[in-house]
Amino acid sequence: GAVVSQHPSWVICKSGTSVKIECRSLDFQATTMFWYRQFPKQSLMLMATSNEGSKATYEQGVEKDKFLINHASLTLSTLTVTSAHPEDSSFYICSARDSRTDTQYFGPGTRLTVL
Amino acid sequence: GNSVTQMEGPVTLSEEAFLTINCTYTATGYPSLFWYVQYPGEGLQLLLKATKADDKGSNKGFEATYRKETTSFHLEKGSVQVSDSAVYFCALTMPYSGGYQKVTFGTGTKLQVIP
Repeated sequence: GAVVSQHPSWVICKSGTSVKIECRSLDFQATTMFWYRQFPKQSLMLMATSNEGSKATYEQGVEKDKFLINHASLTLSTLTVTSAHPEDSSFYICSARDSRTDTQYFGPGTRLTVL
Repeated sequence: GNSVTQMEGPVTLSEEAFLTINCTYTATGYPSLFWYVQYPGEGLQLLLKATKADDKGSNKGFEATYRKETTSFHLEKGSVQVSDSAVYFCALTMPYSGGYQKVTFGTGTKLQVIP
């Protein structure tokens, strides 16, 4: 089946630094990718929808300037957590929509820990 | 807004036991319902889905029936195996004006099957 990868799988950074997370669709083109955040024992919360070649659509309450999303190609979307703080520590999951089948495929997630 | 509630885990069962993971939803309109499974270290995978009332989704021995009268979509399997150990997410989608569907997830239920 279709595979979506994320890199890195985990990252530890100091408060105030920026961290970039990559999401790639490996065997299909994805005009739409989604970024989720998951806290322990909680649901996946949609943060933003990333459309290739255009600006991302952010969910209510998500800071656009803090979580920068770039979807520069049909197989790659990036999420940059700017000036990270400990409260940004979380599990970030991306998904990519295969437009041929209208199916979302999920990446394995990235564990971010901000010290 | 839309929401999904599923039973808290972890659920621990012996091999060949019967499995039920409860899921109820709140939505305006007529959602499509899904069960996703996340094996350790992997991304979420679609397990089964149902798109209208009384539909039954099934895959790999798992089943769930879309019950509109009780707003439920309980996951069942007659005889679990150790390889079924994973986290199971109930989810729904609603039609979205952007042409693709946002996914609302439950909190996930961890299943552990012991030999």
